[in-house]
Amino acid sequence: SQQGEEDPQALSIQEGENATMNCSYKTSINNLQWYRQNSGRGLVHLILIRSNEREKHSGRLRVTLDTSKKSSSLLITASRAADTASYFCATYGSSNTGKLIFGQGTTLQVKP
Amino acid sequence: DAGITQSPRHKVTETGTPVTLRCHQTENHRYMYWYRQDPGHGLRLIHYSYGVKDTDKGEVSDGYSVSRSKTEDFLLTLESATSSQTSVYFCAIEAGQSSGANVLTFGAGSRLTVL
Repeated sequence: SQQGEEDPQALSIQEGENATMNCSYKTSINNLQWYRQNSGRGLVHLILIRSNEREKHSGRLRVTLDTSKKSSSLLITASRAADTASYFCATYGSSNTGKLIFGQGTTLQVKP
Repeated sequence: DAGITQSPRHKVTETGTPVTLRCHQTENHRYMYWYRQDPGHGLRLIHYSYGVKDTDKGEVSDGYSVSRSKTEDFLLTLESATSSQTSVYFCAIEAGQSSGANVLTFGAGSRLTVL
């Protein structure tokens, strides 16, 4: 079964607004990652947050991690039309099994 | 998709025929993965490899086999394709192992249709 569950499944906003996506997971993790997928393309790594970190920033991206609630959020500030894509969280278990497990993704549409 | 190539990119085949998808990397990375992507399911891990001739099953391995006879190539085989295996298949390499992080770089995908 999927380790990560994302919410919402789809999100539509206007350019310039902020977009927030949430991810919940089930088991203990070593790290949690976010990936972006443009239509018809492979996934691209965005950001990684380790289990001992609570917040991380990269450009317009802000990721938070709450291990007590087994949840993470990805915030994209000042969104652009080019941010239109699907976003996936992925978790690497603390048992170090060599498997990165993905959630079902959030589809973001940014309207110009 | 630099350093990782999937072939074929598109394939249409009939039920019961064997199909092999190839993933080739030029990065000399130890870990390689095969995922399938379907609407409503996201990405699901089929098999992965942690070295030459070293492979393990993922969460949806039934009906699939893999082989890794050399570092640069990871093959996914459907011995007898079924319509339920119609999907987009992604290969990935683990690019961040040396830093202790497990970041994946993905290929462009192989779209397989089984009629």
